[in-house]
Amino acid sequence: LAKTTQPISMDSYEGQEVNITCSHNNIATNDYITWYQQFPSQGPRFIIQGYKTKVTNEVASLFIPADRKSSTLSLPRVSLSDTAVYYCLVGVPPSGAGSYQLTFGKGTKLSVIP
Amino acid sequence: GAVVSQHPSRVICKSGTSVKIECRSLDFQATTMFWYRQFPKQSLMLMATSNEGSKATYEQGVEKDKFLINHASLTLSTLTVTSAHPEDSSFYICSASSTSGRFGEQYFGPGTRLTVT
Repeated sequence: LAKTTQPISMDSYEGQEVNITCSHNNIATNDYITWYQQFPSQGPRFIIQGYKTKVTNEVASLFIPADRKSSTLSLPRVSLSDTAVYYCLVGVPPSGAGSYQLTFGKGTKLSVIP
Repeated sequence: GAVVSQHPSRVICKSGTSVKIECRSLDFQATTMFWYRQFPKQSLMLMATSNEGSKATYEQGVEKDKFLINHASLTLSTLTVTSAHPEDSSFYICSASSTSGRFGEQYFGPGTRLTVT
């Protein structure tokens, strides 16, 4: 599995856009990039997944450059409730529906300041 | 959406006793469930992969005789911490994948806080 590197922590004021970048220099051709969010004393929650270019959902956007060696999670107009740890994961999806192991790195602790 | 529950949410036990933690997929079938352990201010560490109807696969360094995993049905997996010791105190989290879910998406339970005194 490709190793990922993220900033340990970030601070942001409420209402700002937050961009968290993850490096994954050894990403393989079949690897997808997935981001999870974890609040204290809770299980992680899926945020977004992508393979290339840009993916957007109701929560966030994921930007992936052409070389796919990094990715950026973008959270628009953060609020205090977005304070959490954000994990970037890289791995291979199953060939069919199903599951595969997730390897969590250290994550980025985002603190949103009023 | 897919919901995974864990029971209990918190448990305190005495050293030497055993504790069972249940993980249930409430509205979907999960052929595979995963068990993680998370120490304070650290990331999640995968302990084992649990497949319905077969033996669990443990990660290196995880004692299979100490952490017993049973996946008897498509909606239930259990983790039993046998002869618990204070160093086993941790946050245990399970996850499951829906057979019809998006690639890479796992649904996590709320976690179980185990304290061994």
